[in-house]
Amino acid sequence: SQTIHQWPATLVQPVGSPLSLECTVEGTSNPNLYWYRQAAGRGLQLLFYSVGIGQISSEVPQNLSASRPQDRQFILSSKKLLLSDSGFYLCAWKKGNGQETQYFGPGTRLLVL
Amino acid sequence: GENVEQHPSTLSVQEGDSAVIKCTYSDSASNYFPWYKQELGKRPQLIIDIRSNVGEKKDQRIAVTLNKTAKHFSLHITETQPEDSAVYFCAASKSGNKLVFGAGTILRVKS
Repeated sequence: SQTIHQWPATLVQPVGSPLSLECTVEGTSNPNLYWYRQAAGRGLQLLFYSVGIGQISSEVPQNLSASRPQDRQFILSSKKLLLSDSGFYLCAWKKGNGQETQYFGPGTRLLVL
Repeated sequence: GENVEQHPSTLSVQEGDSAVIKCTYSDSASNYFPWYKQELGKRPQLIIDIRSNVGEKKDQRIAVTLNKTAKHFSLHITETQPEDSAVYFCAASKSGNKLVFGAGTILRVKS
């Protein structure tokens, strides 16, 4: 069966510091991968998605970036965090063969102070 | 692009009553409509989904209906229980494309 991991689970970072969040999927190959952000009490904002290694689509221009160095690894980064980057970051995957069901990872809670 | 609107934003029901959450979508080519439940501090979990070739789907106390003509779909929860309290999100997509989510509905079941 497939599983999705995210780490770290929680993170407290000062404004202006860099960020790296990691997401990995097991038990499948060539998945579509997604990064979402959820502010407190708000909805799901799609940040990036990827259909393959090195292929990244950005949904919202901001100071974040994403990379996919391996088939089942998706990384979210920032060079300098802003206060507004605080939130719950969720990685998600779905099979790349067109099946639509999307599954979420456990999330990373980021607090920027 | 696709736009999904979800109502109501909050819903309070008495335990045992039914709850209905409604969503409308704008792109008539959308053909996949999942519903997710998110408990406090947890990840969204898929609870039911429907594809455009079906008008209704049931899974125990949960059902989803789809009206393609009117471009809206609804989640129905019967005999609500306190553990149904959560945020519910609807979403829509075309085959193979990304999901577009509604803004969410906070459901509170009062015992």
